[in-house]
Amino acid sequence: EDQVTQSPEALRLQEGESSSLNCSYTVSGLRGLFWYRQDPGKGPEFLFTLYSAGEEKEKERLKATLTKKESFLHITAPKPEDSATYLCAVQASTNQFYFGTGTSLTVIP
Amino acid sequence: DSGVTQTPKHLITATGQRVTLRCSPRSGDLSVYWYQQSLDQGLQFLIQYYNGEERAKGNILERFSAQQFPDLHSELNLSSLELGDSALYFCASSPRPLAGWGGELFFGEGSRLTVL
Repeated sequence: EDQVTQSPEALRLQEGESSSLNCSYTVSGLRGLFWYRQDPGKGPEFLFTLYSAGEEKEKERLKATLTKKESFLHITAPKPEDSATYLCAVQASTNQFYFGTGTSLTVIP
Repeated sequence: DSGVTQTPKHLITATGQRVTLRCSPRSGDLSVYWYQQSLDQGLQFLIQYYNGEERAKGNILERFSAQQFPDLHSELNLSSLELGDSALYFCASSPRPLAGWGGELFFGEGSRLTVL
C-alpha cells in the first residue's frame, strides 16, 4: 500500500536551532517526492521536487534530501517566519499523489 | 501566488444543501486535482481531471461530483451536505502530462466550507 509518514508531528525550535523533519514512504514506482509548506488557512506552497535517491535541493535555510525509503527536510538556523506545517508527498507510478499529515514547525524568537 | 484561483473563499450553508466550488488552473495546466482537508487531517484526494476527462478517483463520496470544462476550469459539486463535510477544499493543477512524468502540484488558496 502506498503511504507517507511524517515525523515528528510537531516540532518547537528556538530561533537558530537547526533540525530535520522526516518523511518515510512506501510507494510503487516513485515518480517524485515533493515538499510543501502550508501556512494556516492557506494552500500548500511548493518547495522542492526530488526524483532519485541521493538527490539534494536547497532553498535559503531549507535543504531536502532523498534516499530509497525516506526524505529529510533540514532546516538550518531557522527564523520565526519559517513557522508553518511542512507536508511531504509522493507521486506513484499510477501518477497519484499521496500526502503525509505534515510536521507543524514552530520557531520561537 | 500559485496562479490557481478558487472561488468562493468562504461558504456557509446548512445541512442538506448543495454548493458548487470553482477552480481555474494555472495557464496552460491541463490537470486539475481536488483535495479535502479537514481539521487535524491531511490532504485527502478526491478526484483528478485531465483535459476534460476524469482520470482518477480517490475517497470521493457519491454525494460529490466534479467536472472539467473545455476552458479547463473545474467545478466540484457537493450535495446533501452534512456537518462532517465542513472542511477546506483545495484545487491544484499540474503542468505535466499525466503519463510518464513526475510533476509538482500548484495549489489554490482553498474554499472553506462550513455546514451548519
